[in-house]
Amino acid sequence: ILNVEQSPQSLHVQEGDSTNFTCSFPSSNFYALHWYRWETAKSPEALFVMTLNGDEKKKGRISATLNTKEGYSYLYIKGSQPEDSATYLCASSGDNYGQNFVFGPGTRLSVLP
Amino acid sequence: NAGVMQNPRHLVRRRGQEARLRCSPMKGHSHVYWYRQLPEEGLKFMVYLQKENIIDESGMPKERFSAEFPKEGPSILRIQQVVRGDSAAYFCASSPGRGLSYEQYFGPGTRLTVT
Repeated sequence: ILNVEQSPQSLHVQEGDSTNFTCSFPSSNFYALHWYRWETAKSPEALFVMTLNGDEKKKGRISATLNTKEGYSYLYIKGSQPEDSATYLCASSGDNYGQNFVFGPGTRLSVLP
Repeated sequence: NAGVMQNPRHLVRRRGQEARLRCSPMKGHSHVYWYRQLPEEGLKFMVYLQKENIIDESGMPKERFSAEFPKEGPSILRIQQVVRGDSAAYFCASSPGRGLSYEQYFGPGTRLTVT
């Protein structure tokens, strides 16, 4: 069973700061990596799906990179806004089905105005 | 374009009763995943279904739990003879294609409380 880790566990930044956090996964058996944004009392919102080593994806002020050889992905937020406050989850899979689709514990981001 | 819908949003059952959770995927999506979030824990995969087929049910307890996604109608997660340990939030997600290279769109979840 995969072990997916995220760091830091929580993060407080000031409005306007840029920030980044890490998702680590076993590199020996990789198929896909997902990032989600999860606001309190809402449902997880898909941000990115990445499958190839070196993938970089961007959506507005949020971007992500993937290194499958060393087993990590970074999520970057440029110019954080209070509405970015949420828990950011990553999930990694070693195959194309669900058995090995494992979510990390999340990074809780608070952006202070 | 309606998103993924789940009902009920909250469900209270006594020990020994049955719980039925429904998930209507986004229009055009024929793939559904079910996840469970136990208190103080993260999301855990339960089952992956395509219409009329169970693709992967390896994350679902072998007893009392079953899932279906009929040709017509919503996907249903059924829990028989519920116990207190089944109290959790159950989320479904739908996807436009087969497998994990596609984004998943989550519903709002059903909070099951077993008394």
